[in-house]
Order: sequence, then C-alpha cells, then structure tokens
Amino acid sequence: GDSVTQMEGPVTLSEEAFLTINCTYTATGYPSLFWYVQYPGEGLQLLLKATKADDKGSNKGFEATYRKETTSFHLEKGSVQVSDSAVYFCALSDTGNQFYFGTGTSLTVIP
Amino acid sequence: DTGVSQNPRHKITKRGQNVTFRCDPISEHNRLYWYRQTLGQGPEFLTYFQNEAQLEKSRLLSDRFSAERPKGSFSTLEIQRTEQGDSAMYLCASSPSALGYGYTFGSGTRLTVV
Repeated sequence: GDSVTQMEGPVTLSEEAFLTINCTYTATGYPSLFWYVQYPGEGLQLLLKATKADDKGSNKGFEATYRKETTSFHLEKGSVQVSDSAVYFCALSDTGNQFYFGTGTSLTVIP
Repeated sequence: DTGVSQNPRHKITKRGQNVTFRCDPISEHNRLYWYRQTLGQGPEFLTYFQNEAQLEKSRLLSDRFSAERPKGSFSTLEIQRTEQGDSAMYLCASSPSALGYGYTFGSGTRLTVV
C-alpha cells in the first residue's frame, strides 16, 4: 500500500543553517506529494506541493522536488530562521480521497 | 474567519463515556475528512465525506466511532464507550473536490480519556 517514510528527528540547527529533511514514498499509482508544517498548538498547514514528476514545489524559502526515479520529495531551505521551528510532515495522496502522512520531523532552530 | 473550525479544543472524559466533536469546514468545500493523530505520529485517515455522503471509512474506525455530515455542512464525530487508547488529537480537514489542492486543516480536538 501507499506509505511515506521520513527522516527521524528531532533536528536542531543554528539560525541561517541549511536544512534538509528527507522523505521517500511508496505508491502504486502516481501520487501528488505534499509537505505540511505544524506549529505548536496549531493545525497542519500546507507548506508546498508537487503533483507530477520533476515538479518543484516552493513556498517561504522552502523547496522540494518530486523525484520519481528515487521516489523522494526531500524538503530543503537554504537559511533557516527561529520562526521555522515546527514539526514537518511529508504526505502523499494518490486518489485525493485520503492522505498518507509520515511520522513528522521536529525542527528546532536556535539563535 | 474562513478556516476550518473544530470544537471543543480540548476534551477530558472518563473511560466508558461518550464524546462528540464538531467540525465546521470552509463553506465552499465539498469534501470533509477526519484524521486521528497520536503523539509522535503523523495523522491517520479515519473517514471522509463528499457533501453529505460518507464515501470511505478506515479500518481504524471501529464500531464505537460514528461520523455524520447532515446537509453537507458541518460534521460530527462521536466516540461511544471511550477507551484510553482513544486519547489522541482528532483533526478535521476540508477541500474542494479537485485533487492537488491539498487540505485545509482545523486546529484539532485533543481528547484525553482518563
């Protein structure tokens, strides 16, 4: 069945450091891929998405490229800020009827 | 505010009691979803509605769980005879019908069964 595997956390970085959070997926079809972010005490917010192979999703300085050959959708940001501290979830949706989420990666950015 | 609204934000109940949560989706969204999130895990799909029709249910949704969406507007999720294992964050999301738009999530209802 469909599934998402995310790199284990927690991740702690200094401000302005480079961020990579790895995500790989397994799907029987051609899913859309997503990154969601969850700030403390809040619901999940869509960060970016890609709907087909080689698409690059981007938002707020974050980027992820849909790599079908490696079944990956790694999240990157060139220079993190303290305000980026949150839990990040990789997710896929094949049919649009439900999403499959990874376990989440907690990011803490220290000044 | 045009976001997804969930009530209550927190619920503490004794084991064996029934609880009901409410979700008000974004008004123009046809689809409504319920997910459960336990500590340290990603959300897990429970069920979804297209307008008032419940189209899919996860095997996680035992007989003690029931969801409704009368008139295709707000939705309720009821848990009967709660168990400690039901303690989790229950998330509601809504979306337009087209795939690829992603969901808009509510802030969730945190259930604690004591």
